[in-house]
Amino acid sequence: NAGVTQTPKFRVLKTGQSMTLLCAQDMNHEYMYWYRQDPGMGLRLIHYSVGEGTTAKGEVPDGYNVSRLKKQNFLLGLESAAPSQTSVYFCASSLYRADQPQHFGDGTRLSIL
Amino acid sequence: GESVGLHLPTLSVQEGDNSIINCAYSNSASDYFIWYKQESGKGPQFIIDIRSNMDKRQGQRVTVLLNKTVKHLSLQIAATQPGDSAVYFCAENSYGGSQGNLIFGKGTKLSVKP
Repeated sequence: NAGVTQTPKFRVLKTGQSMTLLCAQDMNHEYMYWYRQDPGMGLRLIHYSVGEGTTAKGEVPDGYNVSRLKKQNFLLGLESAAPSQTSVYFCASSLYRADQPQHFGDGTRLSIL
Repeated sequence: GESVGLHLPTLSVQEGDNSIINCAYSNSASDYFIWYKQESGKGPQFIIDIRSNMDKRQGQRVTVLLNKTVKHLSLQIAATQPGDSAVYFCAENSYGGSQGNLIFGKGTKLSVKP
C-alpha cells in the first residue's frame, strides 16, 4: 500500500517555465490537498479538492492551478514559474471529511532560478 | 497571522526523559486538533488527533491534552528515544465540524540527546 505518492521528487526550473506536479493516492480518499512549506512559515494550503471534478482555493492559490480529473490523482500546475515559488510542495489526502487525519506524501522540492 | 502557534521553536531532551510540546490556538470554534511528526526530507506523519469533546487522548507513548478554557494543546512523549527527533506540528480545523481546512503551526524541533 503506497499511500500518497508525489512525482517528481526534485525539480529545477527557470523563471517563466511551466510544470505539473503529480499526486496519486491509493486509499480511495475523497479529499486531496496541495500545500507548500517554506522555512519558518509552516504548511500553507494552496488548493484542495473535496471530490473528483471539484477544486477550491486555499490560503495561497495565486500562480497555481489544479485539476482532479480522477479520484486518485490531484495535479498542481505552475503556468509561469517565479522564484517566489521555490518551495517544498506536499500533497495530502483524507477520507471524506476535513476533521479526519490527512496523509501526506514525501514532497517535491522545487527550485526556480 | 496564524491562529495556531507554538511556545518553543526548539526542545532538547535527554533520551529516556519525557517530552512536552505545547501549542496555542486562538479560534474557539475549532473542534478538531491533530499532531504531526516530520523527519528531515519526509512528509508530515500523523501521530494523534483529538476532538473538542475530549480533554485527553492516549496513543502508543504519546498523549495529547486539550485545554479549551485557555485554548492550549500539548503533546507528551513518554520515554523519548533518538528516533523521536523531528519537527512536530500541531494543526486545528479552523471552521469546526466536517468542513474547513487544517491550519498548521510553524513547528517545534525536538532533539534527543543520547
